[in-house]
Amino acid sequence: DGGITQSPKYLFRKEGQNVTLSCEQNLNHDAMYWYRQDPGQGLRLIYYSQIVNDFQKGDIAEGYSVSREKKESFPLTVTSAQKNPTAFYLCASSIDGTAQETQYFGPGTRLLVL
Amino acid sequence: AQSVTQLDSQVPVFEEAPVELRCNYSSSVSVYLFWYVQYPNQGLQLLLKYLSGSTLVKGINGFEAEFNKSQTSFHLRKPSVHISDTAEYFCAVSDRSGRRALTFGSGTRLQVQP
Repeated sequence: DGGITQSPKYLFRKEGQNVTLSCEQNLNHDAMYWYRQDPGQGLRLIYYSQIVNDFQKGDIAEGYSVSREKKESFPLTVTSAQKNPTAFYLCASSIDGTAQETQYFGPGTRLLVL
Repeated sequence: AQSVTQLDSQVPVFEEAPVELRCNYSSSVSVYLFWYVQYPNQGLQLLLKYLSGSTLVKGINGFEAEFNKSQTSFHLRKPSVHISDTAEYFCAVSDRSGRRALTFGSGTRLQVQP
């Protein structure tokens, strides 16, 4: 089955620790996205990538970093600089990143701070 | 820049009743419009989208939406809801010519009661 997988489903972070969220897709899509979801705020864009080895900051990129070394993978690192990381993180992909294309979402990772 | 407003954070409705979820947007450029649905603890799934042409768009699960350019609205409707429609619904826009990621509203939780 084609789709997007995110792991882990739950992730716990200690103070001062960097953690990495995995996102893999086998849809052969060029574009990938990371969103953060907080209750009552909808989804906010963290980073997006329209092609391998290239990515752009979204609206709330501070405290996060990404890489896009392979077409199928777009990991997100939540650094210690992100002071309020507790949220639900959603990864998405689309065929070519054009504005009319449907975005397909993974099941999400819930990050909690210990 | 764009913004999306979903005025109703929660909409309770009885099974088999009609429902309308409201969405208004603001943008200085032309946009594409989307509705996504999120079931509990899952990713998002596309319900429907408006790209061009007929302003009435039909989607999955019996939902439809109407684009009203003069009122900058894209309200979602279903004539008869089921218990299984209980979920969170997000309206989103994308800039036709600029940044190609989605801008989401804050979401509306539809609660269908027996």
